[in-house]
Amino acid sequence: KNEVEQSPQNLTAQEGEFITINCSYSVGISALHWLQQHPGGGIVSLFMLSSGKKKHGRLIATINIQEKHSSLHITASHPRDSAVYICAVRLKGIGTASKLTFGTGTRLQVTL
Amino acid sequence: NAGVTQTPKFQVLKTGQSMTLQCAQDMNHEYMSWYRQDPGMGLRLIHYSVGAGITDQGEVPNGYNVSRSTTEDFPLRLLSAAPSQTSVYFCAIRRLSGANVLTFGAGSRLTVL
Repeated sequence: KNEVEQSPQNLTAQEGEFITINCSYSVGISALHWLQQHPGGGIVSLFMLSSGKKKHGRLIATINIQEKHSSLHITASHPRDSAVYICAVRLKGIGTASKLTFGTGTRLQVTL
Repeated sequence: NAGVTQTPKFQVLKTGQSMTLQCAQDMNHEYMSWYRQDPGMGLRLIHYSVGAGITDQGEVPNGYNVSRSTTEDFPLRLLSAAPSQTSVYFCAIRRLSGANVLTFGAGSRLTVL
């Protein structure tokens, strides 16, 4: 079992819909990252969070440390949001804090 | 201010050839790392460095070599390329403290025949 599981693997939505992507992890972490990878391949960091909630424009990321779960929400989705969204966790503990473990990504397609 | 510059973007090698993927940064971040991305798998850490002169192995280090002689550069060397090393490679950097968000290079697609 992967230490980081994302769901769904693939998601198709219509423009304007509210989207939720989930990330569950099985280990103690010090931080969680959400990344976006566009069809051209470039990877951009969206959020880094260790507790609570962060918002940037139409994107909202939440994390529940006790439940080992994070969600990425996209409000009023748009075709330009079509990308692969990747969750990554930084493990707790000496010697592991430099390393990230990545999920396999959620492929989102937003249609008109 | 280029951020993270990776070269080359594309490379085709024959089995047994050697090559170096370059990663250069102008953000003065301490941490530099190399990942490979394969279909159906998450990004996997190959090697990383927390500063000049310091390197360590990641999850999949076999067949790769790194060095960090300066803060700016972190080259990844394939000593004797194998078809299993066909992948997309990403260099990523971040600060070790504070807002340590990852910044990625554009990626290098390597095919080993």
